[in-house]
Amino acid sequence: AQKVTQAQTEISVVEKEDVTLDCVYETRDTTYYLFWYKQPPSGELVFLIRRNSFDEQNEISGRYSWNFQKSTSSFNFTITASQVVDSAVYFCALTPGDYKLSFGAGTTVTVRA
Amino acid sequence: EAQVTQNPRYLITVTGKKLTVTCSQNMNHEYMSWYRQDPGLGLRQIYYSMNVEVTDKGDVPEGYKVSRKEKRNFPLILESPSPNQTSLYFCASSWSSSYNEQFFGPGTRLTVL
Repeated sequence: AQKVTQAQTEISVVEKEDVTLDCVYETRDTTYYLFWYKQPPSGELVFLIRRNSFDEQNEISGRYSWNFQKSTSSFNFTITASQVVDSAVYFCALTPGDYKLSFGAGTTVTVRA
Repeated sequence: EAQVTQNPRYLITVTGKKLTVTCSQNMNHEYMSWYRQDPGLGLRQIYYSMNVEVTDKGDVPEGYKVSRKEKRNFPLILESPSPNQTSLYFCASSWSSSYNEQFFGPGTRLTVL
């Protein structure tokens, strides 16, 4: 069985600050996929990124960046120069590709103007 | 427009009164899944379907039923709802499996009195 832990329940920052969201996972599978999803206050769930276990390259997309480290079983997410529109709940998720998908409890990010 | 639709969006019912939440996707996706979202627990998978007539249990299937008679539809059935099934429910679909990006419906807020 796999498990995803997002230890940070809530993070509050002032606009333009950087914020890093931690995601630690557990799995016995050698092949697996990690995701980040965003849930803004409007409630919909939006896909941000997918990473497979064989690709440890970090990725940057605009103000978003992801750091995948198999050695520490972590897939952390950083928002650089945060904006009010980044206020949302962010979920990390894991699947070994066996049709089951496990989510973390989520981290609520509040960006204050 | 490619989308996943759910109905109803909001539902208040009483204990024991059977209900169905519908889910439909227009993207010809093979994989569909149901999740419930509860505070502090994130999203938990209820059931998933790999294709027509093929379904399997997720992490929290007790008290729920599903069916997949057509590729586009994946209804969630609560035969005898109880107050502990009060939750926010999301349907999702993806191209072929849990390792693909999930497209989520808008959510159904269910209250069981």
